[in-house]
Amino acid sequence: AQTVTQSQPEMSVQEAETVTLSCTYDTSENNYYLFWYKQPPSRQMILVIRQEAYKQQNATENRFSVNFQKAAKSFSLKISDSQLGDTAMYFCAFMSMSNTGKLIFGQGTTLQVKP
Amino acid sequence: NAGVTQTPKFRVLKTGQSMTLLCAQDMNHEYMYWYRQDPGMGLRLIHYSVGEGTTAKGEVPDGYNVSRLKKQNFLLGLESAAPSQTSVYFCASFQNSPYEQYFGPGTRLTVT
Repeated sequence: AQTVTQSQPEMSVQEAETVTLSCTYDTSENNYYLFWYKQPPSRQMILVIRQEAYKQQNATENRFSVNFQKAAKSFSLKISDSQLGDTAMYFCAFMSMSNTGKLIFGQGTTLQVKP
Repeated sequence: NAGVTQTPKFRVLKTGQSMTLLCAQDMNHEYMYWYRQDPGMGLRLIHYSVGEGTTAKGEVPDGYNVSRLKKQNFLLGLESAAPSQTSVYFCASFQNSPYEQYFGPGTRLTVT
């Protein structure tokens, strides 16, 4: 069975600085997707970034980028130029391409951006 | 295009009462899911459906039932609510191009 682990329950960063959130996962599969979701106080789940395991190039979306290390089963999220609106809970999630779209989530990391 | 909607947004139940949560999506997605979110545990899959008329158990199915009579709707039922079912419930639908789940706004359920 797949598992996803986020070992940082809480983090904080000063506005305009860079922060990295960690995620590790365990799977025996070769084809899968990894995601980072943002959950602000509104509770809405917002997709931040997606990485296909077969792609070696790390995904980037504006200020958000990932460091995907397939052999190490590591998938960290880097937020550059942090903004107050980035304050939220962040979830790492795994989806097997052979598993009907089910997501397996990590425990979440609460990020606070300080002015 | 409303995406994924959930009804109700909040609910308080007494132990032993029953209720149904409704999820609706207007994106013609085949796959739909119900998750629960508890503090420190992320989201966990309760039940899911890969198409109209089908349902399957997820990671934490005990105490819940589901039905998918219409493609656009996925219902989650609690027959006899327990305090352990106090949680935030999320519905989601999925399309495989691009691979992405779309989430509803969540329902906060409190069982006293």
